[in-house]
Amino acid sequence: DIVMTQSPLSLPVTPGEPASISCRSSQSLLHSSGYHHLDWYLQRPGQSPQLLIYLASNRAAGVPDRFSGSGSGTDFTLKISRVEAEDVGIYYCMHALQDPRTFGGGTKVEIK
Amino acid sequence: QVHLQESGPGLVKPSETLSLICTVSGGPISSYFWSWLRQPPGKGLEWLGHIYYTGTTTYNPSLKSRVTISLDTSKNQFSLKLSSVTAADTAVYYCARHNNGGTYPLGNWGQGTLVTVSS
Repeated sequence: DIVMTQSPLSLPVTPGEPASISCRSSQSLLHSSGYHHLDWYLQRPGQSPQLLIYLASNRAAGVPDRFSGSGSGTDFTLKISRVEAEDVGIYYCMHALQDPRTFGGGTKVEIK
Repeated sequence: QVHLQESGPGLVKPSETLSLICTVSGGPISSYFWSWLRQPPGKGLEWLGHIYYTGTTTYNPSLKSRVTISLDTSKNQFSLKLSSVTAADTAVYYCARHNNGGTYPLGNWGQGTLVTVSS
C-alpha cells in the first residue's frame, strides 16, 4: 500500500494569515495520464469530510479560491492564502493512484 | 443535489456481522462508483472498498475476506457487511459517492453512523 505522511500534525493559525500543509507519498502519484492522483479533504468539527482538491491542484465545485493545491511526484502542498474561521478542522490528503486508496494521518488546523 | 444516508445497528456484538445500508436520494445509483469508509474515534480515515453501479467491487486487502459491498439499484441503496467484528472495528462508518473523472474523488459523503462493537 502507498503510505501517506502529512505534516505538521497540528497547525495553529491567525485569521487572515496564510497556512500550508505538506503531504508526502511513499511512491510517485504520477498517473499514466500525466496527472497526479492526489486529493485533499477537510473534515470540519463534527462533520463528514468534504472534497477540496482533486488531481493535486483542481479545486472542487464551490471551494473558495483561497485554497490551492500543488506538488508533483511524492511531495504535495495544500495552501490557504488567508485563513478564515470556517477553515478550522482536520485536513487529509488521500492518494487515488491505485486501490487501496490511503489517507494521510491528518493535520489539525485551529485558530490561535 | 445528491444526498447519502447511512443506517443500521449502532451496536454489534464481537464475532457477529456488521450490516449497514446507504440510501441515495437526489440522484441515481447508476454511472457512479460508491464507497464505504470508516473512522475510529479520534483517528483517521480508512477506505474499505467500493462498488460500481454494474456491481463490480474492489475491497481493501487489509480487511481480507471480511467485507462485502452490494448494490440494490431498485431501492437506490448500497450496503456494507463486515463479518467477525472485534472492538477494533468500532468506528464511524461513512458511505460516499465518487465524482466521475479525474481521480474519481469522493465528492459526496453521508453524515456517518457510529457502530460500536461490544458485548
